[in-house]
Amino acid sequence: EDQVTQSPEALRLQEGESSSLNCSYTVSGLRGLFWYRQDPGKGPEFLFTLYSAGEEKEKERLKATLTKKESFLHITAPKPEDSATYLCAVRLPDSGGGADGLTFGKGTHLIIQP
Amino acid sequence: DAGVIQSPRHEVTEMGQEVTLRCKPISGHDYLFWYRQTMMRGLELLIYFNNNVPIDDSGMPEDRFSAKMPNASFSTLKIQPSEPRDSAVYFCASSPSGLVWSVGYNEQFFGPGTRLTVL
Repeated sequence: EDQVTQSPEALRLQEGESSSLNCSYTVSGLRGLFWYRQDPGKGPEFLFTLYSAGEEKEKERLKATLTKKESFLHITAPKPEDSATYLCAVRLPDSGGGADGLTFGKGTHLIIQP
Repeated sequence: DAGVIQSPRHEVTEMGQEVTLRCKPISGHDYLFWYRQTMMRGLELLIYFNNNVPIDDSGMPEDRFSAKMPNASFSTLKIQPSEPRDSAVYFCASSPSGLVWSVGYNEQFFGPGTRLTVL
């Protein structure tokens, strides 16, 4: 049972064409939702952490929002250098066995065409 | 800071051979994580350590996999014997500890990964 689902799997946009990526989760008692960017051949790079519904974070052309069931990564007027795979991850409730690792979605592969 | 360092970057081996992957976390980080990434299953947590102690190894797929952290600056992930289905990119990540709601809490810094191919 997937706890983190990302959509779409792939997205192709023209430069300047704004859009949103979705991350839905089925975890209750969330202890943080994370967005990472991954370029080909590299490790994921941290973008944002969101902790509570209604929270928003921004960085350059990216804005992340969080509700009780999903998170969105909004990309405004993207540029070709924004092309990457964007990963969403959740930190699960602590069941006593330790829960500091992240559970990742499969990612959205974003291509921005000039 | 050099970031998380992993070696080797690429490893090609034959089925049945022992494979050892190495990781040096960022200095001062209390947590170390090992992840595996495949096209089919995405990025999966294998095991993590806090202050050199293994906390959760429920993601380790089989007894063929083992991980150690002998000191704060070094960890290994070993596969013995290796099988073709172990082929994947293995990432190490480290993270500082701190107050739950503090900036940077559980922000994980990933290394460049080791691409393992088992023939």
